[in-house]
Amino acid sequence: DAGVIQSPRHEVTEMGQEVTLRCKPISGHDYLFWYRQTMMRGLELLIYFNNNVPIDDSGMPEDRFSAKMPNASFSTLKIQPSEPRDSAVYFCASSPDWGRGEKLFFGSGTQLSVL
Amino acid sequence: EDKVVQSPLSLVVHEGDTVTLNCSYEVTNFRSLLWYKQEKKAPTFLFMLTSSGIEKKSGRLSSILDKKELFSILNITATQTGDSAIYLCAVHTGGFKTIFGAGTRLFVKA
Repeated sequence: DAGVIQSPRHEVTEMGQEVTLRCKPISGHDYLFWYRQTMMRGLELLIYFNNNVPIDDSGMPEDRFSAKMPNASFSTLKIQPSEPRDSAVYFCASSPDWGRGEKLFFGSGTQLSVL
Repeated sequence: EDKVVQSPLSLVVHEGDTVTLNCSYEVTNFRSLLWYKQEKKAPTFLFMLTSSGIEKKSGRLSSILDKKELFSILNITATQTGDSAIYLCAVHTGGFKTIFGAGTRLFVKA
């Protein structure tokens, strides 16, 4: 299995632009997560899906952030409009049985820089 | 509020040294504690602990959980430069949350 696949690896954009991050989870994993990592705040959960349904989006910073999972093999995280404080590494992760405390499989992340 | 606290935040050692990383937690409805290693990019799984007193080992790494005192330690013996990384502790709760600590940045000097 190729693991969790994220794209792009790096994104540099200007303030006010729309940014779309993409994720393909591991096949058969029912849970998908979007995390954001910064030096100041560490790893923060933004949102997670179970069987393509958003379950907890309480970590989404504000209305500028939105996430979708149209099918079991694809998810997007969109930021519109982007701001410099959104600069961070965004990780997608999946898990086959997270509800029972199992581990997460992380993608390589997207390094986002908003100028 | 649920929290996971790791110490030290950073550590510099020489090759061959033994290190102990700490993770303490305060959560409602504990389910499991997990350790991850983060080198350049994605965190990768090391151990999952659910029961007190049972040591998990993988090569030079080992970990143990104390559910009474609410902490876990990760030991690395005979450290190598390849052990340089951020080590993350995470606690999964029955409230369907995984809470990560801030991590310990380990640097192993040759």
